Amino acid sequence: GAGVSQSPSNKVTEKGKDVELRCDPISGHTALYWYRQSLGQGLEFLIYFQGNSAPDKSGLPSDRFSAERTGGSVSTLTIQRTQQEDSAVYLCASSLAGMSTDTQYFGPGTRLTVL
Amino acid sequence: DQQVKQNSPSLSVQEGRISILNCDYTNSMFDYFLWYKKYPAEGPTFLISISSIKDKNEDGRFTVFLNKSAKHLSLHIVPSQPGDSAVYFCAAGGLRDNDMRFGAGTRLTVKP
Repeated sequence: GAGVSQSPSNKVTEKGKDVELRCDPISGHTALYWYRQSLGQGLEFLIYFQGNSAPDKSGLPSDRFSAERTGGSVSTLTIQRTQQEDSAVYLCASSLAGMSTDTQYFGPGTRLTVL
Repeated sequence: DQQVKQNSPSLSVQEGRISILNCDYTNSMFDYFLWYKKYPAEGPTFLISISSIKDKNEDGRFTVFLNKSAKHLSLHIVPSQPGDSAVYFCAAGGLRDNDMRFGAGTRLTVKP
């Protein structure tokens, strides 16, 4: 497939557990973004990777959230000690070079439910 | 802080009529604006964009209008079709930035 893929599509976890969400960007795209959408809210920027540069973590809501991007491709978003307010759809997007004018291509998202 | 606001959570229009989706922003530094469309269980897809040097951009049935003085943009769909039923997100940012601010979305329903 040529699009952005994310796994799992749904994740239900208990409060306090750690979760890992995966994103496979479009091949050749140097920029990768993570967003989340909580109920009734807009897409909230979390973190941005561009090439080999240090990621822009300015959107991460707490130190329980972290993300890695290995080899400039696949990215993993990790949430430690999950809380109920972490329940949301987590969306990954990639773009060619990370310019604002580059179209971001989104994956289908991972719906996280924290019980 | 909600720098981009879509005050109408939903909109319903009849097929063939015009759909107008509105978006307001607060940051006067924003100079690039986009609309994304999202179907259920899919990620948002890019629809149309406009930069601040223009006040209108048209692509087929879709037109985006920008009023910089009012910090307002709108998306017009005419004629509306049932397949246009989706959630529409407005996004804004700076041309030299790498993070866009998104609105909460407006759910458009086009009735046959």
